[in-house]
Amino acid sequence: RKEVEQDPGPFNVPEGATVAFNCTYSNSASQSFFWYRQDCRKEPKLLMSVYSSGNEDGRFTAQLNRASQYISLLIRDSKLSDSATYLCVVNLYGSARQLTFGSGTQLTVLP
Amino acid sequence: GAGVSQSPSNKVTEKGKDVELRCDPISGHTALYWYRQSLGQGLEFLIYFQGNSAPDKSGLPSDRFSAERTGGSVSTLTIQRTQQEDSAVYLCASIQGGAGETQYFGPGTRLLVL
Repeated sequence: RKEVEQDPGPFNVPEGATVAFNCTYSNSASQSFFWYRQDCRKEPKLLMSVYSSGNEDGRFTAQLNRASQYISLLIRDSKLSDSATYLCVVNLYGSARQLTFGSGTQLTVLP
Repeated sequence: GAGVSQSPSNKVTEKGKDVELRCDPISGHTALYWYRQSLGQGLEFLIYFQGNSAPDKSGLPSDRFSAERTGGSVSTLTIQRTQQEDSAVYLCASIQGGAGETQYFGPGTRLLVL
């Protein structure tokens, strides 16, 4: 089992749709969680951190479910510009040593 | 301000040759990471530098890989006797301080070993 696992997709959705991605992680003691976005042939960039109480940033909502060891990202009213790969990132062991990246979920928003 | 920069942006080399990849982190960032991303894959941790502490090399895939960070700033990743499976994008990231902080990535170096 991968330490951080995501559905690779691809998710192809029409503009305006709502889409959700889940990500599971292996270590129940993990403390920090993030969603990064990576455009084609570009570097990853932080989309949002994921807080225990859940958090929202415009059309994006992130949630954490510690009991089931997963985090989710919900995108409402999808835009063409949301097309990218979304990387789930977890600090599995609570140290600055490293973050563990999922393989990413590919999203394409269609006109 | 300037972000993380990496050079070269692209590198094509022949199997068996050595390559050096460079990373200039954001000024003032104390921690620096190297990752490798193969086509369609997630990021694979290679090595981590934090201040003057000994680097965490636990992700380096073989002894052909090494990295150093001079003066707490610029870092060089060296791959000796390159193999075709070394072909990937090599990404560098820096953070200002401790765990849980945002990693700022450079644009990467695309390495192709023929």
